[in-house]
Amino acid sequence: GENVEQHPSTLSVQEGDSAVIKCTYSDSASNYFPWYKQELGKRPQLIIDIRSNVGEKKDQRIAVTLNKTAKHFSLHITETQPEDSAVYFCAAVTSGTYKYIFGTGTRLKVLA
Amino acid sequence: NAGVMQNPRHLVRRRGQEARLRCSPMKGHSHVYWYRQLPEEGLKFMVYLQKENIIDESGMPKERFSAEFPKEGPSILRIQQVVRGDSAAYFCASHDRSRSYNSPLHFGNGTRLTVT
Repeated sequence: GENVEQHPSTLSVQEGDSAVIKCTYSDSASNYFPWYKQELGKRPQLIIDIRSNVGEKKDQRIAVTLNKTAKHFSLHITETQPEDSAVYFCAAVTSGTYKYIFGTGTRLKVLA
Repeated sequence: NAGVMQNPRHLVRRRGQEARLRCSPMKGHSHVYWYRQLPEEGLKFMVYLQKENIIDESGMPKERFSAEFPKEGPSILRIQQVVRGDSAAYFCASHDRSRSYNSPLHFGNGTRLTVT
């Protein structure tokens, strides 16, 4: 069945450093890849997404890259701040099924 | 736009009771997903519905769990004869399927179910 692997499960960085989270998907028909941020006790919120016809997308300090051949995509956060501390989830979506398969999450801790 | 509304926010049930979780999608959204999240874990897909139709229930346990999304009113996730292992946060999400596959999910604030 469909599967999305996400690494690392936890990540600690110093404030101002960069953070990178990687996801690998199994369904080659996946063509939409959103990223969600979930703060403690709150709902997941979309922070950035990328379609399969694009290799990279950037929004201020956040960027996502996609390698369709290798079936992996990554989230990059630059100049991290304490408020970036949260759990981040990647997801892969297949147009035919509309099924959003989420990764297992990465707990990011930004140390002041 | 009020966003995705879930209620109740917290629900406590004794073992053997029934739990009913409600979700109203964002205005204009006709498709709803339910996900379960155990503490410190990820989002596990349960079911995908449109009004009056279950599209994909491959993530639903075979027994005790059911979901519906009637023509009028909210989507309901129903858990019968709850057990301690059902304790989790249940998130509902909706999207605008008319925008094709690449429309993001919008999540509600979740219902935290505790079974005592």
